[in-house]
Amino acid sequence: GAVVSQHPSRVICKSGTSVKIECRSLDFQATTMFWYRQFPKQSLMLMATSNEGSKATYEQGVEKDKFLINHASLTLSTLTVTSAHPEDSSFYICSALPGGPSGNEQFFGPGTRLTVL
Amino acid sequence: QKEVEQDPGPLSVPEGAIVSLNCTYSNSAFQYFMWYRQYSRKGPELLMYTYSSGNKEDGRFTAQVDKSSKYISLFIRDSQPSDSATYLCAMKVGGNNRLAFGKGNQVVVIP
Repeated sequence: GAVVSQHPSRVICKSGTSVKIECRSLDFQATTMFWYRQFPKQSLMLMATSNEGSKATYEQGVEKDKFLINHASLTLSTLTVTSAHPEDSSFYICSALPGGPSGNEQFFGPGTRLTVL
Repeated sequence: QKEVEQDPGPLSVPEGAIVSLNCTYSNSAFQYFMWYRQYSRKGPELLMYTYSSGNKEDGRFTAQVDKSSKYISLFIRDSQPSDSATYLCAMKVGGNNRLAFGKGNQVVVIP
């Protein structure tokens, strides 16, 4: 099956710093990648849709200047949490959608746990 | 009303029992219905994928979709301790890749 990796798997940072999370599709090209946030015992909340070579589309209520998304290639998307605060502590998960007519299934990464002190 | 409702209450069953999970939804445009399994501190993995109404069976897993009632179900037969995980339902409209997720059910299968 298709594999999506995320790095780092876990990060702890001080309040006010910026954190970059990488999402890579390892064995396929992903025209579209998604970024989700998941709080404990809560569902996955879509933050933004990232298309290679174009600006990301953010869901309502998600600050695009705080959560910077770059989808620079067909295998890599990055999420940067700028000026992180404790309320940004969460589990961030990306998913990737293969291109082509069979690209209906999203493949999820293992997630990145962010803790902001 | 939320797009997808899934009672997040934990569910504990003895090994070998049938696990029954369900979700309801409000958007009648949803056409694709999925169940994901998520182990602790891991990303979700696709378990079942169903288009429109009907049943789909894969080994010990059966997914049912009733579009008239806006209700989907997942059944796990002969449950095993390795089935202990959180199960999330998800759905989407055709031609749109945006997934709407339920809150997830934590299932514990007791040996």
